[in-house]
Amino acid sequence: DTAVSQTPKYLVTQMGNDKSIKCEQNLGHDTMYWYKQDSKKFLKIMFSYNNKELIINETVPNRFSPKSPDKAHLNLHINSLELGDSAVYFCASSQVAGGPSGDTQYFGPGTRLTVL
Amino acid sequence: GDSVTQMEGPVTLSEEAFLTINCTYTATGYPSLFWYVQYPGEGLQLLLKATKADDKGSNKGFEATYRKETTSFHLEKGSVQVSDSAVYFCALSSTGGFKTIFGAGTRLFVKA
Repeated sequence: DTAVSQTPKYLVTQMGNDKSIKCEQNLGHDTMYWYKQDSKKFLKIMFSYNNKELIINETVPNRFSPKSPDKAHLNLHINSLELGDSAVYFCASSQVAGGPSGDTQYFGPGTRLTVL
Repeated sequence: GDSVTQMEGPVTLSEEAFLTINCTYTATGYPSLFWYVQYPGEGLQLLLKATKADDKGSNKGFEATYRKETTSFHLEKGSVQVSDSAVYFCALSSTGGFKTIFGAGTRLFVKA
C-alpha cells in the first residue's frame, strides 16, 4: 500500500491554464504539507494543514489554493499557470507536527509540472 | 529564524570511500534533527533522525550525532556504494512548530 500518493505524476500544460494536483495519505496522520522543489533541488514549504485547518501559508501567490476536504486529502489548485511554476511538487504528511519526538515527514512521489 | 546549512555539492566519491556531509543549524529551543535522502525520480524519505543532544541516529550504515555545542549534525558513512548516489537533505523540526526546515541538499555521486 502506498502511504502518500499523488496524481498526476507528470503534468504538462500551457501558460494561463488552471490545474490541480491531488494528494492522499493512508497513514492516519493529522498534518499534511505541500512543497515545491526547483531544478536545483531546493525544497520550499508552501502550505501546511493540521486536521483540515491551514496552519502555514508561506508567501505563496494567491494563484495557489490548497483544499483539504478531510484529514487524508490535501489538494493543490493552481490558477493562471506561469512559466516559473514549473517544478516538482511534493505532498507530505506527519503524525504530530512539532511533537516532542519530532515530526518525521512521509513524502509522496512528486508531481513534475511543466508549463510551456 | 531557524535555519539549516549544509555543504554544497556535488560530492563525487569512489565506491568504498568514506563519506562526510556537513550540516549545521540555527534554532531556538531544542529541535529534532533529520537526514532525508532523495533517490532519482522519487520523493524524500527519512534516513535517520535524532531528537536530543548527544543522540546518534543510524540507518543503512549511515550515522549522525546531534552535537548541541557545535550545533551540528554531520552525516557519515564508512564505505559508500554506487546505490548511495542520491541527494541528501539535512533538516530540523522545532517542538511546537508545524514545519520542518530543510537544507539546500547535497548531491552525492558514487563511482564504481
